[in-house]
Amino acid sequence: KAGVTQTPRYLIKTRGQQVTLSCSPISGHRSVSWYQQTPGQGLQFLFEYFSETQRNKGNFPGRFSGRQFSNSRSEMNVSTLELGDSALYLCASSFHQGEAFFGQGTRLTVV
Amino acid sequence: QQQVKQSPQSLIVQKGGISIINCAYENTAFDYFPWYQQFPGKGPALLIAIRPDVSEKKEGRFTISFNKSAKQFSLHIMDSQPGDSATYFCAASISGNFNKFYFGSGTKLNVKP
Repeated sequence: KAGVTQTPRYLIKTRGQQVTLSCSPISGHRSVSWYQQTPGQGLQFLFEYFSETQRNKGNFPGRFSGRQFSNSRSEMNVSTLELGDSALYLCASSFHQGEAFFGQGTRLTVV
Repeated sequence: QQQVKQSPQSLIVQKGGISIINCAYENTAFDYFPWYQQFPGKGPALLIAIRPDVSEKKEGRFTISFNKSAKQFSLHIMDSQPGDSATYFCAASISGNFNKFYFGSGTKLNVKP
């Protein structure tokens, strides 16, 4: 069974630009969550989608948004990038509540 | 306010020794406690998880001990191997809050050959 796939693996963007990251969950999983990982703040929850609906949201500014498609694939978007947005963005998919499987992440660098 | 506190920040253990990582939480509504292992350049991998209705869960060399009254849980890695060298994260979630996890700050484990 294929794991969680995140694309792209690496991204370099300039301040002020916007970026879209993609996540394909494990087949059959309908829940997709997004996390930001930084050395200073650790792993922080961004939001979670289930059946195309956002069920939960973390404490991030409105520049961070996401969506989920009917095939459970998810995208997250960050607009007006800031230097502090540089991080590893992780996607996790779940079938049952509680058991979350992470992808390898997208390393975003904002310059 | 950090919901899950993890210690130590780093740990050095000799091959064959026992690695112990501790976590504490305040929110008594938490009812699912997983541990994740992360290697450099990789995403966290689910290692083992426990719910508060049991005090211990063992899977191979990995054991979670859970103390509900103290609001603490720990990961024990028996017969630690150099291949176990990674960063370990504890986490907690609430069933009614779906898959929103609160993570500890991580423990970097180095197992010396």
